[in-house]
Amino acid sequence: QSALTQPASVSGSPGQSITISCTGSSSDIGAYDYVSWLQQFPGQAPRLLIYDVTNRPSGVSNRFSASKSGNTASLTISGLQAEDEAHYYCTSYTRTDTPWVFGGGTKLTV
Amino acid sequence: EVQVAESGGDLMHPGGSLRLSCAASGFTIANHYMTWVRQAPGKGLEWVSVIFHAGATRYADSVKGRFTISRDTSTNTVFLQMNDLTAGDTAIYYCARVGEGWFDPWGQGTLVTVSS
Repeated sequence: QSALTQPASVSGSPGQSITISCTGSSSDIGAYDYVSWLQQFPGQAPRLLIYDVTNRPSGVSNRFSASKSGNTASLTISGLQAEDEAHYYCTSYTRTDTPWVFGGGTKLTV
Repeated sequence: EVQVAESGGDLMHPGGSLRLSCAASGFTIANHYMTWVRQAPGKGLEWVSVIFHAGATRYADSVKGRFTISRDTSTNTVFLQMNDLTAGDTAIYYCARVGEGWFDPWGQGTLVTVSS
């Protein structure tokens, strides 16, 4: 069982917006502004999508945005495109002996 | 370009030992945290181990006492020594540079299969 809870799957139509939630605790998401989101296509390595809760690395589309409230982080993808179909993982720094924890991943179907 | 590349994955018998390598380029590992993350077939990502820039290390409970992370700053390479392997260690092992709020870049991963 993953330390962070994500829905197993979400779906949307092209052009729509979807939001993926990531629920943790006061020891991880609620403790720091150190949440990141990763995108992973089948057979490929994960890629950093969002860092430090809300920031996009260079090259990531502004259709991807993220936020945090309390112990829950959220990733929103607007203007869905077929190429967004992938697995999305959240991760958070923690104040426990395990410095980072991951969510179980969410499969996005467009 | 900032990159990492893993190597060393193999088919192993239970109880065996294996050492993975992660060669970094475009940055100096001594100035960064470096981590290993694994992904069992069809499963999600699991954090395994980290070596901080000062050299301290941490491990997931699932590998504590069996795995050891280390680095060679002269070759800019990070290692993961894995002992007493079990079927539960079967996974793609990824290396990544890591900060508190980010993991980047990731390597392509190296596959470790533990089977009798």
